[in-house]
Amino acid sequence: SQQGEEDPQALSIQEGENATMNCSYKTSINNLQWYRQNSGRGLVHLILIRSNEREKHSGRLRVTLDTSKKSSSLLITASRAADTASYFCAPVNQAGTALIFGKGTTLSVSS
Amino acid sequence: GAVVSQHPSWVICKSGTSVKIECRSLDFQATTMFWYRQFPKQSLMLMATSNEGSKATYEQGVEKDKFLINHASLTLSTLTVTSAHPEDSSFYICSARVGPQEQFFGPGTRLTVL
Repeated sequence: SQQGEEDPQALSIQEGENATMNCSYKTSINNLQWYRQNSGRGLVHLILIRSNEREKHSGRLRVTLDTSKKSSSLLITASRAADTASYFCAPVNQAGTALIFGKGTTLSVSS
Repeated sequence: GAVVSQHPSWVICKSGTSVKIECRSLDFQATTMFWYRQFPKQSLMLMATSNEGSKATYEQGVEKDKFLINHASLTLSTLTVTSAHPEDSSFYICSARVGPQEQFFGPGTRLTVL
């Protein structure tokens, strides 16, 4: 399946620290997307990285992709309390079929 | 990015009644939409793929007679939970596909069945 598996399942840090979460998948992909979900809310698209890209930045977010290891990482720098949320990765295959999500990483940022 | 809306955002109903949830793509046409369900502290589980003008494709274990999906136009898909029971209480999220590889998600609908 093209499900992504996030690691760690939970992460607690202080404001200002960096948060790193990882994603592993099993199939070949066209791209991989990261989403954020605040408690009880819908998903917010954070960033999309294509299979021919190795690194991508968006504000305080940095995503890397290693297709040889079938893994991706999301780094949030200088975290804020507002970054507290669950983060999901979603690998997308060439056919662009439905995204299959893992259990996500629950990030808690305390002030 | 493209905007997907859902209506209602939350609904409370009595056991045995039916509830309809709408998913709309506001500024683009979506031939394919997806319906997900999320229980508390769990990930999103794909329920079905909704294709405009044809029958939905349901994931294994999802009762198609209970979760009716209609994708009558390029901007609207509806999910009807028929004869809802308390175990159907969940967060239902739709997404719409833009091109082959991008999806945009709606804000979700929280269903509580008493």
